[in-house]
Amino acid sequence: KNEVEQSPQNLTAQEGEFITINCSYSVGISALHWLQQHPGGGIVSLFMLSSGKKKHGRLIATINIQEKHSSLHITASHPRDSAVYICAVGSSNTGKLIFGQGTTLQVKP
Amino acid sequence: GAGVSQTPSNKVTEKGKYVELRCDPISGHTALYWYRQSLGQGPEFLIYFQGTGAADDSGLPNDRFFAVRPEGSVSTLKIQRTERGDSAVYLCASSLMSGAGYTFGSGTRLTVV
Repeated sequence: KNEVEQSPQNLTAQEGEFITINCSYSVGISALHWLQQHPGGGIVSLFMLSSGKKKHGRLIATINIQEKHSSLHITASHPRDSAVYICAVGSSNTGKLIFGQGTTLQVKP
Repeated sequence: GAGVSQTPSNKVTEKGKYVELRCDPISGHTALYWYRQSLGQGPEFLIYFQGTGAADDSGLPNDRFFAVRPEGSVSTLKIQRTERGDSAVYLCASSLMSGAGYTFGSGTRLTVV
């Protein structure tokens, strides 16, 4: 079993839909990161959170430390949101990241 | 610079050759990380530097892989006797200190033929 599990692996949505991507982890962490990777592109950090909830534009990230679970929500999805979304947890000791397998999102117009 | 710079962006090399991949982190970032991302997979940790020293090199797959950061800024990942299985995107990230927010480079796509 992977230390960081994401679901779903693939997601197709219509423009305007509300999207949720889930992440569960089994190790002790200092922080959880949500990252975005466009095809052929680099990785962009969306959120780093260790408790509660953060919001940036149409993106919302929540974390439940007790349940070792986080969710990334996209409201009013748009085709430009199409990308791979990766959950990664930071080691309590070194800060090195353990990555999930990623969720490939396609938003159709 | 404004971001993490990785060079080259693409590298094609023949099996058995030696390659060097460079990462120029954000100025002042003391923590530097190397990750490797194979096709369709999430990135995997290779090595972490805090300043000039490798604080954790547990992710290096074997002794053909080596990385240095002699002055605590630029880092070079070195791969000897490359194999086709080394083909991947090599990602570098830096942060102000370990555990703080990360900035990733665009990666170096290495292809071993």
